[in-house]
Amino acid sequence: NAGVMQNPRHLVRRRGQEARLRCSPMKGHSHVYWYRQLPEEGLKFMVYLQKENIIDESGMPKERFSAEFPKEGPSILRIQQVVRGDSAAYFCASSPRDGTYEQYFGPGTRLTVT
Amino acid sequence: GESVGLHLPTLSVQEGDNSIINCAYSNSASDYFIWYKQESGKGPQFIIDIRSNMDKRQGQRVTVLLNKTVKHLSLQIAATQPGDSAVYFCAEKKTDKLIFGTGTRLQVFP
Repeated sequence: NAGVMQNPRHLVRRRGQEARLRCSPMKGHSHVYWYRQLPEEGLKFMVYLQKENIIDESGMPKERFSAEFPKEGPSILRIQQVVRGDSAAYFCASSPRDGTYEQYFGPGTRLTVT
Repeated sequence: GESVGLHLPTLSVQEGDNSIINCAYSNSASDYFIWYKQESGKGPQFIIDIRSNMDKRQGQRVTVLLNKTVKHLSLQIAATQPGDSAVYFCAEKKTDKLIFGTGTRLQVFP
């Protein structure tokens, strides 16, 4: 039973480029969460999605960031026109139900903006 | 405001000793708390959780204590091993998302 999968594990982008981070939830899970972690800090919630729906995006920056979880395929976190401050580890988690149960985390994507 | 914070950023313990990692929270309405372990370069790994209608829960070598009166959460690790070295986060569930503390780094020395 595969866990949460994220790819790529490491991503390097130059300022102004786009970054696309992918997350495949655990089998049978229909709820996906994205978190961002800066070095030596805790994880900060960004967005919560169900299939084809954004449920809570209160942690998403207003500009340049977007997320989707289509009916088929992985969830995508997209960052347009990246800046150095976007450098961080981005973690995806999934759960079988709505917030009530534990969230299982993927290995993360480490984004470096040069 | 709401926050989940930790008292100590780094905890050093000798192998075989017990470890206690503390966490304070400020949202008295929270009803679910989780401890995660994060090893270098990896995602957080679930350790143990506790609901607000409990004050203690035990797992394998780990115990979580919840004191709602002082809004304090602790993680106890018995007979700490080198493999326990990691950063430990407490997290508080707020509606559909988790609010994480800044973490405590646990270092185990022989």
